[in-house]
Amino acid sequence: DAMVIQNPRYQVTQFGKPVTLSCSQTLNHNVMYWYQQKSSQAPKLLFHYYDKDFNNEADTPDNFQSRRPNTSFCFLDIRSPGLGDAAMYLCATSRASSYEQYFGPGTRLTVT
Amino acid sequence: RKEVEQDPGPFNVPEGATVAFNCTYSNSASQSFFWYRQDCRKEPKLLMSVYSSGNEDGRFTAQLNRASQYISLLIRDSKLSDSATYLCVVNDYNFNKFYFGSGTKLNVKP
Repeated sequence: DAMVIQNPRYQVTQFGKPVTLSCSQTLNHNVMYWYQQKSSQAPKLLFHYYDKDFNNEADTPDNFQSRRPNTSFCFLDIRSPGLGDAAMYLCATSRASSYEQYFGPGTRLTVT
Repeated sequence: RKEVEQDPGPFNVPEGATVAFNCTYSNSASQSFFWYRQDCRKEPKLLMSVYSSGNEDGRFTAQLNRASQYISLLIRDSKLSDSATYLCVVNDYNFNKFYFGSGTKLNVKP
């Protein structure tokens, strides 16, 4: 089945230690998104790629970076995680002409 | 003002009840509307898209009122398994972005 895959599902990192989360998709969708979701809150968009075009949200901290080396893969890099970065990180995709958004299972990040 | 607003609930209803959620959006140019369901500690999953003419999928009915800029979701004959958070989502074509409401929590009790 076509899907959105995220690895790892659970990640524990130390305060200030860089971490990379990965997302891959078999849907061949043009657009890939990274969201941060904290408990009892709506997903918060960090950035998205339309093909290779990167679109950063104005309030996304510089600590968060992303790479999309090809259509299928997208990475979220957190350069110096703080305790406040502990959250669920969701990757999603959509086909620009279709508009439904499909989510991966998420990576739950713990910062110690 | 938030792009999308929802009543956070929780809505506590008995099995078999009918429950309705509303959602309002601020951008009159929005063109695509969705309801997602999110279970605790899981990812959001598409429940249904919302069309101008209204659409139904089994026990679920979604309506869109463009003039008033609100979207509704009606759940009939609630099941225990319907307990979840329901997210109203509005798409902005021009920027390939989705705006989420804060979600409405539903608890269906035996």
